[in-house]
Amino acid sequence: EPEVTQTPSHQVTQMGQEVILRCVPISNHLYFYWYRQILGQKVEFLVSFYNNEISEKSEIFDDQFSVERPDGSNFTLKIRSTKLEDSAMYFCASSEVVTGELFFGEGSRLTVL
Amino acid sequence: DQQVKQNSPSLSVQEGRISILNCDYTNSMFDYFLWYKKYPAEGPTFLISISSIKDKNEDGRFTVFLNKSAKHLSLHIVPSQPGDSAVYFCAASSTFSGGGADGLTFGKGTHLIIQP
Repeated sequence: EPEVTQTPSHQVTQMGQEVILRCVPISNHLYFYWYRQILGQKVEFLVSFYNNEISEKSEIFDDQFSVERPDGSNFTLKIRSTKLEDSAMYFCASSEVVTGELFFGEGSRLTVL
Repeated sequence: DQQVKQNSPSLSVQEGRISILNCDYTNSMFDYFLWYKKYPAEGPTFLISISSIKDKNEDGRFTVFLNKSAKHLSLHIVPSQPGDSAVYFCAASSTFSGGGADGLTFGKGTHLIIQP
């Protein structure tokens, strides 16, 4: 069964460092998303991406964040200068159609020290 | 600002009985609702959805009911099985907002525990 894959599964970084989280969405999907879940809190929408551009983003997704689809398969989330409060589980998801079911990856745990 | 609320952090149900998970929302623009299930160390998995033009959607043991006037939806699982033990997230979206790939708004989740 096709699945969304994410790397790394866990990354530890120092505050102020840049981090890139990688995702390989399901191949025939057109919509890509990043969500995050801070420990003990709800899953929060960060950004959605369609046709090589951001279609929606939340208030959380400020100038420190960027997304890119550098080739036909990868979808990346970059955090330019990490803060302690960026520590969370970051989930990538993809879907075939808008408002269709989202397929989530297993998540990348980011720990900022 | 909790637009999607799951007021029960946890729920314990005996195997074979019905599990009922509840969700309330405040944003009247929401018109599409989904339930996701999450096991530890895994990403959420889509379970079932319902559009606001319906009040019920059924898929095997899972049924979602939508009461638009009360802004309430519920997920019924019957009969409950041990493998149903997981965290269940209610999520909502508004297809009206731009028509693009809108993000889902999630509730905080309810941890369902199925007891043998």
